[in-house]
Amino acid sequence: NAGVTQTPKFRILKIGQSMTLQCTQDMNHNYMYWYRQDPGMGLKLIYYSVGAGITDKGEVPNGYNVSRSTTEDFPLRLELAAPSQTSVYFCASNGGLAVPMVDFGPGTRLTVT
Amino acid sequence: AQSVTQLDSQVPVFEEAPVELRCNYSSSVSVYLFWYVQYPNQGLQLLLKYLSGSTLVKGINGFEAEFNKSQTSFHLRKPSVHISDTAEYFCAVSEGGGSNYKLTFGKGTLLTVNP
Repeated sequence: NAGVTQTPKFRILKIGQSMTLQCTQDMNHNYMYWYRQDPGMGLKLIYYSVGAGITDKGEVPNGYNVSRSTTEDFPLRLELAAPSQTSVYFCASNGGLAVPMVDFGPGTRLTVT
Repeated sequence: AQSVTQLDSQVPVFEEAPVELRCNYSSSVSVYLFWYVQYPNQGLQLLLKYLSGSTLVKGINGFEAEFNKSQTSFHLRKPSVHISDTAEYFCAVSEGGGSNYKLTFGKGTLLTVNP
């Protein structure tokens, strides 16, 4: 299994541009998450999904959108990028009751200038 | 709502010394507890987890943690650290299935092991 994969690894955006961060998992996990990590702040939940077609907001959803059309994929969309969205983004998945632990992808480092 | 407090933002120690990284949580329901490690410019790797049962949990790389329900703590320990343990360590809590296994993280503790 490749686990959780994310693309791209790095990206620089200009203010006002849009982009999609890709996330795929091959473990057939129902639960998927997007977190952002800022220095000294730990990780904060942006959005999550409990299965295909079902998504919900986390702690810091403003400026982001998600979709979940398949079990495997959970892309994160940034519309009108702002400097405050400069961060490292981690996608994660969870197998639920059978294996209630979260596996993380390698991260995407995004800079908005 | 659940929350996690990591009591030390930075912990410097010398090689082969013991270390304890402290974590306290608050939650109104039963929880799952985790420690993750992040090496420089890398993703998060699970060190160990407490789901139920024995309160002393052993993880990878010689780390262990003890769940103390009365003190709502989940401190991470290692009896003898190596230079390679230098990393940031995150404590996290999940309220289990009722919360869709969402994790709430502490702000992290930077462990620096000096020769």
